Amino acid sequence: DAGVTQSPTHLIKTRGQHVTLRCSPISGHKSVSWYQQVLGQGPQFIFQYYEKEERGRGNFPDRFSARQFPNYSSELNVNALLLGDSALYLCASSGGLSGRTNEKLFFGSGTQLSVL
Amino acid sequence: SQQGEEDPQALSIQEGENATMNCSYKTSINNLQWYRQNSGRGLVHLILIRSNEREKHSGRLRVTLDTSKKSSSLLITASRAADTASYFCAQGNNAGNMLTFGGGTRLMVKP
Repeated sequence: DAGVTQSPTHLIKTRGQHVTLRCSPISGHKSVSWYQQVLGQGPQFIFQYYEKEERGRGNFPDRFSARQFPNYSSELNVNALLLGDSALYLCASSGGLSGRTNEKLFFGSGTQLSVL
Repeated sequence: SQQGEEDPQALSIQEGENATMNCSYKTSINNLQWYRQNSGRGLVHLILIRSNEREKHSGRLRVTLDTSKKSSSLLITASRAADTASYFCAQGNNAGNMLTFGGGTRLMVKP
């Protein structure tokens, strides 16, 4: 079975542009979470979605948004990119009961975003 | 901001030696987990210990949890060069919707 897949793997954008990152969870997993990992630091929680509803939001500005589709795949959108948005964006899926995602997460390989 | 701190930030050992990494956190937790990351790519789940457990084993891994001190440790026994990676602790919150990661320990195992 395929694991969590993310696209693209690498992306270069300039300040002020918009970016869309995509994620497909493991088959059967209904919950998707997004994390941002700046170089040299641990991942920081951005969003969690379960059954197309937002279940959690981290401390990120409104420039960050996400959605989940009926097939449980997800998109993360970032508007008005800043240099500080340069990071590895990780998607994780979970098969937890009732959408609980504070237990074992399965991560994709991430999208490396560089903002110039 | 990250809730937890990991110690040491970097660790270099010889193959066959044991590696111990420590993690401290600030608020109440439902569980504590350890993840491994190779070369800045995806994280791989290693082990989960619940707040009512004190010790757990999985293969060469041993995890302890002290909720009174809000700390955990990960012991890797008989390390191998392939264990070279970054290791992160993560706290599962009681709301059930997120993990809070520490800053990680970068482990290098020399052959």
